[in-house]
Amino acid sequence: QLQLQESGPGLVKPSETLSLTCTVSGGSINRGSGDYYWDWIRQPPGKGLEWIGHIYYSDYIYYNPSLKSRVTISVDTSKNQFSLKLSSVTAADTAVYYCARASYYYHYMDVWGKGTTVTVSS
Amino acid sequence: QSALTQPASVSGSPGQSITISCTGSSSDVGGYNLVSWYQQHPGKAPKFIIYEVSKRPSGVSNRFSGSKSGNTASLTISGLQAEDDADYYCCSYAGSNTVMFGGGTKLTVL
Repeated sequence: QLQLQESGPGLVKPSETLSLTCTVSGGSINRGSGDYYWDWIRQPPGKGLEWIGHIYYSDYIYYNPSLKSRVTISVDTSKNQFSLKLSSVTAADTAVYYCARASYYYHYMDVWGKGTTVTVSS
Repeated sequence: QSALTQPASVSGSPGQSITISCTGSSSDVGGYNLVSWYQQHPGKAPKFIIYEVSKRPSGVSNRFSGSKSGNTASLTISGLQAEDDADYYCCSYAGSNTVMFGGGTKLTVL
């Protein structure tokens, strides 16, 4: 079955750029496999979920307005991966970062990665 | 984009029923039948349990049900079991191809 796995540095310095990749296995990220968004969500320690943004193949990309100025999401269909970049990070960006697949039409996230912890600290 | 409003905590005894509310506005919860709910156990990724307000994915117990009235969506868990002890999050389409989560509710099974 479809599985998602986040990867990237666990420690990022303040003011630098956080970069994460989500690798999709057991299925294809390509358009022919159905209509899905590929999402990024994060969860600060002890707090709730925050939607970061999503990408519909390479066509459409949408971001949380509160993060829009710092976020870039991209997709590499040849590697079956999609990626997140968050610039100018601060301690407030410390969180568990999840990638997920979401229904394009109904906006629910049906498959999640296990999450990866990113700490922003010097 | 403010989070949808959920109670911080609810509790119930085994066998009882509980309801968790999720309040938004006419721009999100009230404007679309696109509310989903997620269950999260400590240290685990969220698991989706309700979509399109009241539909259950395959494999999710029929003890979980969802509804909506106006700007408030609700998740009801009947016949509480120890394994239901977890955090629950609502999520709604918020227009312009964006979504937003609720602040989360901690359910304690007494």
